[in-house]
Amino acid sequence: AQTVTQSQPEMSVQEAETVTLSCTYDTSESDYYLFWYKQPPSRQMILVIRQEAYKQQNATENRFSVNFQKAAKSFSLKISDSQLGDAAMYFCAYRTTSNKLVFGAGTILRVKS
Amino acid sequence: GAVVSQHPSRVICKSGTSVKIECRSLDFQATTMFWYRQFPKQSLMLMATSNEGSKATYEQGVEKDKFLINHASLTLSTLTVTSAHPEDSSFYICSARDHSGSLYEQYFGPGTRLTVT
Repeated sequence: AQTVTQSQPEMSVQEAETVTLSCTYDTSESDYYLFWYKQPPSRQMILVIRQEAYKQQNATENRFSVNFQKAAKSFSLKISDSQLGDAAMYFCAYRTTSNKLVFGAGTILRVKS
Repeated sequence: GAVVSQHPSRVICKSGTSVKIECRSLDFQATTMFWYRQFPKQSLMLMATSNEGSKATYEQGVEKDKFLINHASLTLSTLTVTSAHPEDSSFYICSARDHSGSLYEQYFGPGTRLTVT
């Protein structure tokens, strides 16, 4: 079964600085999708970024980018120019071939002004 | 973008009663919906996969007789918590899969906070 591990329960970053959230996963599949979701205090899940495993190029979405290392099964999220609105719980997720999402434990990101 | 709604957003019920939570895809059809449970400051745990016109598939350890799922139309799935007890108090989130695109994206509802007294 697939597992997703987020080893950082909490992270802090100064406003306008850069922070990286870590995620590793375990799978025997060769083709899959990986996601980062943001859950603010409202608890609405928001898709931040998506990475297809067959694509070598790292996905980027404005200030958000990933470092996808397929061989190492690592999928970290970099947030540049951090803003107060980035404060939230961030979940790394793996999508199985049956389209189920397996989530990591989450990382609480605090942004200091 | 695709929108998923949940109703109610909050519900308080007495122990022993049943409560129904609705999940609707507002602007797309969803043959598959997922139900998650989330405890405070914890991750989302998949409870079951809801398939339109067929029985739901439950994850290991989830009591199907306690958490009844019905997916009667392409835009509506319901989760009924039967004979609720205080330990069922949690945040329940649904997601709906959009089959119209190639990515089969999942869109999440805003969640329902259930409190059993």
